Amino acid sequence: DGGITQSPKYLFRKEGQNVTLSCEQNLNHDAMYWYRQDPGQGLRLIYYSQIVNDFQKGDIAEGYSVSREKKESFPLTVTSAQKNPTAFYLCASSIKVGAGGAGELFFGEGSRLTVL
Amino acid sequence: KQEVTQIPAALSVPEGENLVLNCSFTDSAIYNLQWFRQDPGKGLTSLLLIQSSQREQTSGRLNASLDKSSGRSTLYIAASQPGDSATYLCAGRDSNYQLIWGAGTKLIIKP
Repeated sequence: DGGITQSPKYLFRKEGQNVTLSCEQNLNHDAMYWYRQDPGQGLRLIYYSQIVNDFQKGDIAEGYSVSREKKESFPLTVTSAQKNPTAFYLCASSIKVGAGGAGELFFGEGSRLTVL
Repeated sequence: KQEVTQIPAALSVPEGENLVLNCSFTDSAIYNLQWFRQDPGKGLTSLLLIQSSQREQTSGRLNASLDKSSGRSTLYIAASQPGDSATYLCAGRDSNYQLIWGAGTKLIIKP
């Protein structure tokens, strides 16, 4: 089945450690996104990528890094520079928006990161 | 700058009622608007997407409308069921194709 797979589902990290969250899609989508969700708040965009080997910062990119070496994969690294990393992280993908593309967004099941 | 608001933040209704969830946006130059459902601890599930040229979209018991002149989209749920309990989010794409998110409405359907 086509979809977006995020792993791990739950992750615990000690302060000062970097962690990488995986996101893989087999929908043949060009665009991929990482969002952060905190209780009672809307989704906030961390990074997005419209094409392989290119990505842009979102609203809250500080303390995070990404790569887009393959169309199917868009891993997110939460670095030790992120001051408050405990959150629910959501990966999404869409076809390229514009030129007739609606850019309907599809999400993975999320990864919950807890810093101990 | 486009802003998206969802009011109320929470809603509780008895099973079987028809209900309307609201999503307001400030800039009528909206490219499209998408409605999602999120169950606790889960990812978002796409429900309906309305293009700027469309007035409404329907899927089963769900109907979403878009009125650009009033800056409003509504999600109508017919004959609500306890399984409809979830948080519903809307997101609009602005003229630069950027997604702007509402904070969501938490819906509880009481059996």
